[in-house]
Amino acid sequence: DVVLTQSPLSLPVTLGQPASLSCRSSQGLVHPNGNTNLDWFQQRPGQSPRRLIYHVSYRDSGVPDRFSGSESGTEFTLKISRVEAEDVGIYYCVQYAHWPHTFGQGTKLEI
Amino acid sequence: EVQLLASGGGLVQPGGSLRLSCVGSGFTFNTYWMNWVRQTPEKGLEWVANINPDGSQKTFVDSVKGRFTMSRDNVKNSVTLQMNSLRVEDTAVYYCAGWGAGSYWGQGIVVTVSS
Repeated sequence: DVVLTQSPLSLPVTLGQPASLSCRSSQGLVHPNGNTNLDWFQQRPGQSPRRLIYHVSYRDSGVPDRFSGSESGTEFTLKISRVEAEDVGIYYCVQYAHWPHTFGQGTKLEI
Repeated sequence: EVQLLASGGGLVQPGGSLRLSCVGSGFTFNTYWMNWVRQTPEKGLEWVANINPDGSQKTFVDSVKGRFTMSRDNVKNSVTLQMNSLRVEDTAVYYCAGWGAGSYWGQGIVVTVSS
């Protein structure tokens, strides 16, 4: 199975400051159709996960532009340019290039 | 408004069965891969199963193969997860999730397997 290793597991941040979350994959995640099948989800306390970013760097509708995604080989990064209070939660990366689809263990963003 | 409304969870003894259902609205259900994902504090999020838009392709994580089945009805915009031979380790919050142009998740439903 593909292992996604997220770091750090806990990320204390200051409001208005940037944050960078990492997700490292044990295998390449390029699907035969050419897409890289790596998404980022946010799970606020008590809520279902919500997708923020798909195919590494495409923001979902309604997602603030302070969220951005990038990749370098098998390392993927979610950046928040200026953290706001509503960003508190756990962030997961997920790959669906290989079965079984797998999630990272999550990064807990705390103010 | 997009909604995925799940039902059917509860408490069941080991070896028992449960059927989870999920009804979608507000999006083109028949173009979406539908998935079941479960979450526990110990293991985090785990993909359980999915089914392609026309229902012809289904995939299951190894730990549930032979015990869980999945089906969909694109007329009723619904998907079901039939869970048989349940084990204590199947205890989790189960989410139905649609994956396509968007990504939509239901509210989560608790399944507890315990004697």
